[in-house]
Amino acid sequence: GQQLNQSPQSMFIQEGEDVSMNCTSSSIFNTWLWYKQDPGEGPVLLIALYKAGELTSNGRLTAQFGITRKDSFLNISASIPSDVGIYFCAASFNFGNEKLTFGTGTRLTIIP
Amino acid sequence: GAGVSQSPSNKVTEKGKDVELRCDPISGHTALYWYRQRLGQGLEFLIYFQGNSAPDKSGLPSDRFSAERTGESVSTLTIQRTQQEDSAVYLCASRLIGTGTEQFFGPGTRLTVL
Repeated sequence: GQQLNQSPQSMFIQEGEDVSMNCTSSSIFNTWLWYKQDPGEGPVLLIALYKAGELTSNGRLTAQFGITRKDSFLNISASIPSDVGIYFCAASFNFGNEKLTFGTGTRLTIIP
Repeated sequence: GAGVSQSPSNKVTEKGKDVELRCDPISGHTALYWYRQRLGQGLEFLIYFQGNSAPDKSGLPSDRFSAERTGESVSTLTIQRTQQEDSAVYLCASRLIGTGTEQFFGPGTRLTVL
């Protein structure tokens, strides 16, 4: 099935560094979401974006819904060890839509 | 607990056997979803339930896959005549209609077909 194009696939950073990842699609979506998945767990929602151009923050996380409705980015500032994990973007066609299309994931590793 | 639960957590089976995977959604959540996650990949949508009905089955990969939901609660995903390419983590999520698009995910069932 369709998946969103997410980059980078992996990141190796030092604690305290900022992180940026993005997601693109050939199709328009009306809702963009960012999830984090820890090993052996299901994804947990970090940020939801419902309006084109919207910029939303959640603590050290900031995400934007692209104005074209075909992309989104997630920034993490001042990374800490618990930020380690896999980050997924996801999108849907309408606000009440039931099906989420996911990106391929960005694996974040923090180098001691 | 208050979250989505899935069982078993791990399942190893032989090619050709049938398997059943169970999902217990958060109580009161009328929407339920199944996704598949292959190793190193994102989640792929399989099927969505609204109550006990499945208005969207578009992600089921073949007729070997089926799912049902009863009592607007428990759901079972059945894979018949399993193949090695069915090996993946199968994740269930539930959502309370009317509160936006947040889906709460269970921990998944890791299926290995030998």
